[in-house]
Amino acid sequence: EVQLVESGGGLVQPGGSLRLSCAASGFTFNNYWMSWVRQAPGEGLEWVANIKQDGSDKYYVDSVKGRFTISRDNAKNSLFLQMNSLRAEDTAVYYCARPYTRVSDAFDIWGQGTVVTVSS
Amino acid sequence: AIRMTQSPSSFSASTGDRVTITCRASQGISSYLAWYQQKPGKAPKLLIYAASTLQSGVPSRFSGSGSGTDFTLTISCLQSEDFATYYCQQYYDYPRTFGQGTKVEIK
Repeated sequence: EVQLVESGGGLVQPGGSLRLSCAASGFTFNNYWMSWVRQAPGEGLEWVANIKQDGSDKYYVDSVKGRFTISRDNAKNSLFLQMNSLRAEDTAVYYCARPYTRVSDAFDIWGQGTVVTVSS
Repeated sequence: AIRMTQSPSSFSASTGDRVTITCRASQGISSYLAWYQQKPGKAPKLLIYAASTLQSGVPSRFSGSGSGTDFTLTISCLQSEDFATYYCQQYYDYPRTFGQGTKVEIK
């Protein structure tokens, strides 16, 4: 079964850090770009970042540039999101997502999400 | 960033209705558009990609059309399980952006 499972969410104070993980299974992980997408409580979807198959290219939404870093470990079929200098507006459910093809960002596989709450 | 604007933001409909949701991009995105369905507490589900290609396993009552800046998602005969929030998303340029969502409620 093709599956993505996120972990690492939790409650963190403003200015703090958190590292999210996404474990992939059931497909050839290193064939795909991978993304993080978030959803603030009661709000819509926001794409956060993506990373190329070999990790050589990365893109971010402006609001997280310089604070978040996406990375991957293909040997462990894992995707990561290092989040630093967290703000209240980063509070959201964070999903990892896989596109339906190697070169697309229409996401057909999503994890269940991990909740990040930034609050004092 | 390319802005994606959906209309309406919400509406009520009845089972069996034909419904159409519109998505407009602030600049041309060719056919690099996807549609998702999301139910409360669940991850989004891909319905359509490349503006009009039905994802495997998605019922044929869902269809998409458009290219450039104007796109539509149509549900030909609304079923009870279709009451949800729908999002469009462009993947033509960075950052990838979503519409604000359209909530389809039961009349």
